[in-house]
Amino acid sequence: DADVTQTPRNRITKTGKRIMLECSQTKGHDRMYWYRQDPGLGLRLIYYSFDVKDINKGEISDGYSVSRQAQAKFSLSLESAIPNQTALYFCATSDWGTDTQYFGPGTRLTVL
Amino acid sequence: ELKVEQNPLFLSMQEGKNYTIYCNYSTTSDRLYWYRQDPGKSLESLFVLLSNGAVKQEGRLMASLDTKARLSTLHITAAVHDLSATYFCAVVSGGYQKVTFGTGTKLQVIP
Repeated sequence: DADVTQTPRNRITKTGKRIMLECSQTKGHDRMYWYRQDPGLGLRLIYYSFDVKDINKGEISDGYSVSRQAQAKFSLSLESAIPNQTALYFCATSDWGTDTQYFGPGTRLTVL
Repeated sequence: ELKVEQNPLFLSMQEGKNYTIYCNYSTTSDRLYWYRQDPGKSLESLFVLLSNGAVKQEGRLMASLDTKARLSTLHITAAVHDLSATYFCAVVSGGYQKVTFGTGTKLQVIP
């Protein structure tokens, strides 16, 4: 079984809808991250969490919110989706030692 | 604000050739990562470079870090088609508070 899972894997929605992307991990890592990937722009950090009680904004947090329900779960919400939020979204985890990040398979989100 | 630049952005090379991908970053950091992404797939960790002068090698790939020059290189030796992918470097700053990725280098190895 995959160590980092994301649901859904693909989602098409309409402008103005609320969307939640979920991430679960079995690696036992405290640190979790949400990124979005756009062609030619690499990965950009949306939010990160170093433990259940710690939530931090990344470089592009506007229009997004997160919830860390447990050590193993980190959800990303788009309160009112807009077309420029169409992207590939990745969840990642890391441990305290090396900070090497382990990525989930990604969620492809399309906002019409 | 930390800037991370990779070059080239796109590289097409023949099998058997050598080449180097460069990763420059703008502020002090002593921790740098290289990742690989296959088309339509997620990212996979290749190397973690933790100090000035660090060198890591795995197969045909070798990564190095020069913190004084704020430069990391990923050297490809005798490229093979299976190395075709997009390679990202990522730099940690602010006491591990933030990881910034480069824009990626898309490598195409032609048989």
